[in-house]
Amino acid sequence: EIVLTQSPGTLSLSPGERATLSCRASQSVSSRYLAWYQQKPGQAPRVLIYGASSRATGIPDRFSGSGSGTDFTLTISRLEPEDFAVYFCQQFGSSPPKWTFGQGTKVEIK
Amino acid sequence: EVQLVESGGGLVPPGRSLRLSCAASGFTFAHYAMHWVRQVPGKGLEWVSGISWNSGSRGYADSVKGRFTISRDNAKNSLYLQMNSLRAEDTALYYCAKGPDSNGYFERDNWFDPWGQGTLVTVSS
Repeated sequence: EIVLTQSPGTLSLSPGERATLSCRASQSVSSRYLAWYQQKPGQAPRVLIYGASSRATGIPDRFSGSGSGTDFTLTISRLEPEDFAVYFCQQFGSSPPKWTFGQGTKVEIK
Repeated sequence: EVQLVESGGGLVPPGRSLRLSCAASGFTFAHYAMHWVRQVPGKGLEWVSGISWNSGSRGYADSVKGRFTISRDNAKNSLYLQMNSLRAEDTALYYCAKGPDSNGYFERDNWFDPWGQGTLVTVSS
């Protein structure tokens, strides 16, 4: 089973700063099968990035995803007040079908 | 606008059963695979189960296999999760989530979009 490890656990930054979130897989993951979600308090997760680097519909271009193999990154170029939230990475494995999530990175206001 | 509204959660003693429902609107429900994902409050996410557009294929996490059954009624635009032999470790917020593409097969869904707001299941005596 592929395990996703996110770092750091918490990121303390100010609005306007750049956020770099890491997701490391225990085995190689196809980029096609790597997604990122944002979750705000009291809300359901919403997809930001799929296929490692494609922005979902309506997601601002300050969010970008990159990476391949075992190392993936979510970057928020300039933090807006509404970006302070928890971010999860997720991978899909096809044989047998299985979806696993990282433990999350909290981006908090410094 | 796509909407997914879960219901049926509550407090239940260990060993009992509960049935969750998810009412879908704003898209052609019968064309999409659907999933259940759960989250222990303040903790991580765990995929629970998925079902294809025509109920022809279903999948379960090892942690719930043999105890939970996913089903759907395309005429009612509804998704269900029958949970039997509940355990304390099943306590979580249960989300229904839609597959991203109209291919309709849950085993091809790479991610989930969107998710409902969730229904809380608490298993405790």
